[in-house]
Amino acid sequence: QSVLTQPPSVSAAPGQKVSISCSGSSSNIGNNYVSWYQQLPGTAPKLLIYDNSKRPSGIPDRFSGSKSGTSATLVITGLQTGDEADYYCGTRDTTLSIGMFGGGTKLTVL
Amino acid sequence: EVQLVESGGGLVQPGGSLRLSCAASGFTLSSYWMTWVRQAPGKGLEWVANIKQDGADQYYVGSVRGRFTISRDNARNSLYLQMNSLRAEDTAVYFCAREQTSGWTPDYWGQGTLVTVSS
Repeated sequence: QSVLTQPPSVSAAPGQKVSISCSGSSSNIGNNYVSWYQQLPGTAPKLLIYDNSKRPSGIPDRFSGSKSGTSATLVITGLQTGDEADYYCGTRDTTLSIGMFGGGTKLTVL
Repeated sequence: EVQLVESGGGLVQPGGSLRLSCAASGFTLSSYWMTWVRQAPGKGLEWVANIKQDGADQYYVGSVRGRFTISRDNARNSLYLQMNSLRAEDTAVYFCAREQTSGWTPDYWGQGTLVTVSS
C-alpha cells in the first residue's frame, strides 16, 4: 500500500487526453516537488516531469504536470499507442527523509 | 552520455547476503546523491536508500533499515548496496539511479539487476 495514491488504471483513445492523479499529504507532496516517470514493459523508468511541471530535454510537450496542495496531476495529450506504459509519481517525505513513489497507473490507449 | 550499469544480482537463500554494484560513467559521480530503487515482480517502484555525495549521509526505507547498507567509492565510479538477512519479500529488480543536483529526483536510471530470494 503506497503512501502516494494513484488510480490503478486509466484508458483513452488515440489522440485524446488523459489525466493521472497522485494524492499524498503535507509531509510529502504538500512540501516537496513531484516528479513523474514512464515505465515501458521490461525497461527502466524514464523521467518525464520534475519539479512539479518541468520537462527534461527530449520530453515532448504532450506531457505536462501540475501540483496543487497535496495532490499532483500528469496530463498526456494527443495520446499515441506508444504511450501505453505504467506511470509513477514520486516525491520526498520531509518527515522520514526518504523518497517514495505512487503505486503506479497503467495507461491503455484503446 | 550518462550510463549506470548494475551487477551482482542472483539467487540467494533466505537469510543470505548479496552485494550489488552500480558502475557509473558519463558524469562526475562525486557531484551527485545516488539512489537505489527496487521493483518486485509485477509490482510498483519502491525507494530503498540514498547516499550523499561524500558518503557521509545515508537514508533507508524502514523495511530494509538495519539489513541493507548503501555505500560508494567515487574514485572507482561505483555505488554499492550490501544486502544482509535477505527475505523472500526482498525479491525484486534493483535499479541504481542518479539524483538531480537540485534535489531528490532520480533522473538517470540503470537497467536493473534481479535479486531472487528463495530456498
